[in-house]
Amino acid sequence: AQSVTQPDIHITVSEGASLELRCNYSYGATPYLFWYVQSPGQGLQLLLKYFSGDTLVQGIKGFEAEFKRSQSSFNLRKPSVHWSDAAEYFCAVGGNTGFQKLVFGTGTRLLVSP
Amino acid sequence: SQTIHQWPATLVQPVGSPLSLECTVEGTSNPNLYWYRQAAGRGLQLLFYSVGIGQISSEVPQNLSASRPQDRQFILSSKKLLLSDSGFYLCAWSVRGASNEQYFGPGTRLTVT
Repeated sequence: AQSVTQPDIHITVSEGASLELRCNYSYGATPYLFWYVQSPGQGLQLLLKYFSGDTLVQGIKGFEAEFKRSQSSFNLRKPSVHWSDAAEYFCAVGGNTGFQKLVFGTGTRLLVSP
Repeated sequence: SQTIHQWPATLVQPVGSPLSLECTVEGTSNPNLYWYRQAAGRGLQLLFYSVGIGQISSEVPQNLSASRPQDRQFILSSKKLLLSDSGFYLCAWSVRGASNEQYFGPGTRLTVT
């Protein structure tokens, strides 16, 4: 069965510092991978996605993620964090054939200190 | 462009009362539709999904139900709310037959008192 692990429940980063949020997945075939962001009281917004091809994908708001098949990871990165990036981040995995439900991780809450 | 609406945005209901949350999608046809619940400090729990009118799949047995009376309308209901039904309810859609990338609505905050 497919699963997603986000090992960090909370992360605090200073404004201007770099960020890496970890995501490990379990999936029996080639996965589709996603990162979503959720601001308090809001819905989820898609940051970026990986389907195939280049393993380094660029997303909105200056985020990027790298797919590493050998490590079953899809970590999210940003070189310089802004205070407005404080939110909850969810990694998700889905299949690439037919209808597939997405499986979400439990999320990582990012706090940005001044 | 596509948009997804949910209403109401917030709702406070007493235990034992009925529930109806509505979700509509604009700008696309034949979407897959989903209902999720997010309890405080928890991840997303998939409750129901639908791949077409009248086709509902339930993920978690509970006192909630879902219906899809029209192609782009998805309704979450309960006959009698429990305290444990409190949470943040999110509707989402995806393009049928595509990459399963989901787009989320703004959510409904339900508090059962």
